Amino acid sequence: KNQVEQSPQSLIILEGKNCTLQCNYTVSPFSNLRWYKQDTGRGPVSLTIMTFSENTKSNGRYTATLDADTKQSSLHITASQLSDSASYICVVSPLRTGTASKLTFGTGTRLQVTL
Amino acid sequence: DGGITQSPKYLFRKEGQNVTLSCEQNLNHDAMYWYRQDPGQGLRLIYYSQIVNDFQKGDIAEGYSVSREKKESFPLTVTSAQKNPTAFYLCASSIRGLAGNGEQYFGPGTRLTVT
Repeated sequence: KNQVEQSPQSLIILEGKNCTLQCNYTVSPFSNLRWYKQDTGRGPVSLTIMTFSENTKSNGRYTATLDADTKQSSLHITASQLSDSASYICVVSPLRTGTASKLTFGTGTRLQVTL
Repeated sequence: DGGITQSPKYLFRKEGQNVTLSCEQNLNHDAMYWYRQDPGQGLRLIYYSQIVNDFQKGDIAEGYSVSREKKESFPLTVTSAQKNPTAFYLCASSIRGLAGNGEQYFGPGTRLTVT
């Protein structure tokens, strides 16, 4: 069964500090992996998308890494801001789709940035 | 403004009543999706439509119904047969369907509470 596991489940950091969120997946064969940011009570917004051939991708203070061999990805947030407080969701897409439910969503890491 | 709109943001219903959630997009996307989000769980696919007048069941379609009469609109009806309807419902769209592995853009969500 395809699974995506994220850790930690929740995280509290001080403003200005860095943090790294983890995503492990069992989806195979693998097409791409995305990180979404979801503010409370809002829809998810895409941060990065990486194919199996990409190792790293940045979007401002967000940097995602991917190790397709170990089926692990991480999202690193640099110099955190209060507005980074949100849930971060890892989503994995298999190589072949065409039937229902082919995106596998992680349960998310809830990040809180405090003063 | 291009995007996906969902209405209403909050919806309250009595048990036994059917309720319809609205989803509209002006992105000219072919595919649209409905997900359900519950605390501590990843998003789960309810229904999806890859083209007008066609839709497919997702992982948890029981107790739900949809229609796709127009490209821009994909309403979801939560029927009285849905045993646990209280949840956060997210609509999404993508340029192509699941086989295209394209990015999905999410609406702001509707929080449904059934008492």
